[in-house]
Amino acid sequence: DVKVTQSSRYLVKRTGEKVFLECVQDMDHENMFWYRQDPGLGLRLIYFSYDVKMKEKGDIPEGYSVSREKKERFSLILESASTNQTSMYLCASSAAGTDYEQYFGPGTRLTVT
Amino acid sequence: DAKTTQPTSMDCAEGRAANLPCNHSTISGNEYVYWYRQIHSQGPQYIIHGLKNNETNEMASLIITEDRKSSTLILPHATLRDTAVYYCIVRVFGNEKLTFGTGTRLTIIP
Repeated sequence: DVKVTQSSRYLVKRTGEKVFLECVQDMDHENMFWYRQDPGLGLRLIYFSYDVKMKEKGDIPEGYSVSREKKERFSLILESASTNQTSMYLCASSAAGTDYEQYFGPGTRLTVT
Repeated sequence: DAKTTQPTSMDCAEGRAANLPCNHSTISGNEYVYWYRQIHSQGPQYIIHGLKNNETNEMASLIITEDRKSSTLILPHATLRDTAVYYCIVRVFGNEKLTFGTGTRLTIIP
């Protein structure tokens, strides 16, 4: 079974802190994605990566950056966390090619106080 | 990508077929219809996808109208575990990204 794991299920950080959210997949997938999910807004794509060291902005990249140094790991970075970044963050991966589905991790609920 | 319209919520009795509609009237010829679902406190899960022919797998069936402007996801024998938010997504061939809407909250009633 494909497994996508995220470093924490719940995280509480203070405003201004630098926050790292880690995602690891074990299926040698080329593509990895970061979404955030907020009530009434559905899932929104923040960034995605189609190869090591490659990244593309999604629909809401402001306030975030990403890092992909190894194929299996994709990190989301909040350089200076703000309260409006309180959200559920979901990581996903997929094989290259659009006929492949995305596999999601369980999510990290981040609260910024 | 074309936008989709789904009912906000639906109920279905356990053991009955759950039919979830999706309208995608602006769909173009190179866009696929995908369905995902999200059970409470979990990440979304892929269900099925199709282009213009009806599709069936072990989880569900997907019926796409001939003009491709709407589709229906069918869960043939709904169980309590099928209670979830169901997302209908239209995706351009060649586009790696998925654009999620707010989906349909399906509640299976015992």
